[in-house]
Amino acid sequence: AAGVIQSPRHLIKEKRETATLKCYPIPRHDTVYWYQQGPGQDPQFLISFYEKMQSDKGSIPDRFSAQQFSDYHSELNMSSLELGDSALYFCASSFGSNYGYTFGSGTRLTVV
Amino acid sequence: GQQVMQIPQYQHVQEGEDFTTYCNSSTTLSNIQWYKQRPGGHPVFLIQLVKSGEVKKQKRLTFQFGEAKKNSSLHITATQTTDVGTYFCAGLAMGTGGFKTIFGAGTRLFVKA
Repeated sequence: AAGVIQSPRHLIKEKRETATLKCYPIPRHDTVYWYQQGPGQDPQFLISFYEKMQSDKGSIPDRFSAQQFSDYHSELNMSSLELGDSALYFCASSFGSNYGYTFGSGTRLTVV
Repeated sequence: GQQVMQIPQYQHVQEGEDFTTYCNSSTTLSNIQWYKQRPGGHPVFLIQLVKSGEVKKQKRLTFQFGEAKKNSSLHITATQTTDVGTYFCAGLAMGTGGFKTIFGAGTRLFVKA
């Protein structure tokens, strides 16, 4: 069965650079979520989209933005990267909010 | 604000011992989900509980949802080294902006062979 696809798997950027993470949800899932997970931490909710519209916002810094496109894939754009942005970024999708999330394998971002 | 507290933060067990992690919510939940994240992996959905007092089993795993739908537990009988990982609960609750899923901080399970 198709899973949530995230790209790239690994990304190394320098401070103050920008990064774009991509997520392809499971077909027919209408909700996409972005999470940030630091080492040894639980996933922190960043932002979500329902049917291509932003549905909820968590602890997403102003330097970050995200959108969901007409083909339902989503992108997380991160600018003016800081060392503290180094983390695993997960995308998850679900069919509505009343069902389990399917997480992608994540993008490991390292800012040097 | 709404919170889901999960305890313990971590637990070390000898293989064959039982393990339990608990989640408590400050508000009534519509449902609660459990996830397992292996070291270096991503969270994987295990199960969802919806009804008050619901109990579900998956092999050696037993999931319970409290009568008040504010707490839940995951119990693993006779742990194996393959059970190693972090177990997260996630509660769906109604907030001012609509339904929100709130993750607990996770319980990290270490199993010694």
